[in-house]
Amino acid sequence: QKEVEQNSGPLSVPEGAIASLNCTYSDRGSQSFFWYRQYSGKSPELIMSIYSNGDKEDGRFTAQLNKASQYVSLLIRDSQPSDSATYLCAVSTPNDYKLSFGAGTTVTVRA
Amino acid sequence: KAGVTQTPRYLIKTRGQQVTLSCSPISGHRSVSWYQQTPGQGLQFLFEYFSETQRNKGNFPGRFSGRQFSNSRSEMNVSTLELGDSALYLCASSLVSSYGYTFGSGTRLTVV
Repeated sequence: QKEVEQNSGPLSVPEGAIASLNCTYSDRGSQSFFWYRQYSGKSPELIMSIYSNGDKEDGRFTAQLNKASQYVSLLIRDSQPSDSATYLCAVSTPNDYKLSFGAGTTVTVRA
Repeated sequence: KAGVTQTPRYLIKTRGQQVTLSCSPISGHRSVSWYQQTPGQGLQFLFEYFSETQRNKGNFPGRFSGRQFSNSRSEMNVSTLELGDSALYLCASSLVSSYGYTFGSGTRLTVV
């Protein structure tokens, strides 16, 4: 079983719709959870971090964490063509000093 | 504020050669990590350094090594290059690792 798994995608959504991305992780000791966005040919960019159960909103992005279910998600509201990218879920465990990444979900927003 | 700087951006090497990649973290960041990204394996952790000490190492052969200097700059070295080492090598730095990492633009290594 992979440490971090994401819905495989690709995900195609119309402009203005909600894109929903899911991620599960295997290590119950994980405490820090991140979403990175990676445009084609570029490096990953941190867009959201979440540490406690519940929702965290930042602009059009909402991250949701459920540690009991070992599940973290990202919602992109009012999707824009500029949101077209690969979204990477990353998980960190205390004193591990590394990020474990999922394979990524590629999102395409259709104008 | 300057970001994470990686040099060079692109490299072409021949099998059997060795290569050294360089990374300058964001000013004040003492934690520096290296990752390998390939289409087949995704992003894989290589190693992490803090105050010149390696705190964790990923599952890579001993041909992959790294170090960190007193100014937090880091280098990674790959010896006896293989075709499968062709990848994007990403350096990331952090003030506190649990707060997430900022990635550099990467070094694209092609082994021929």
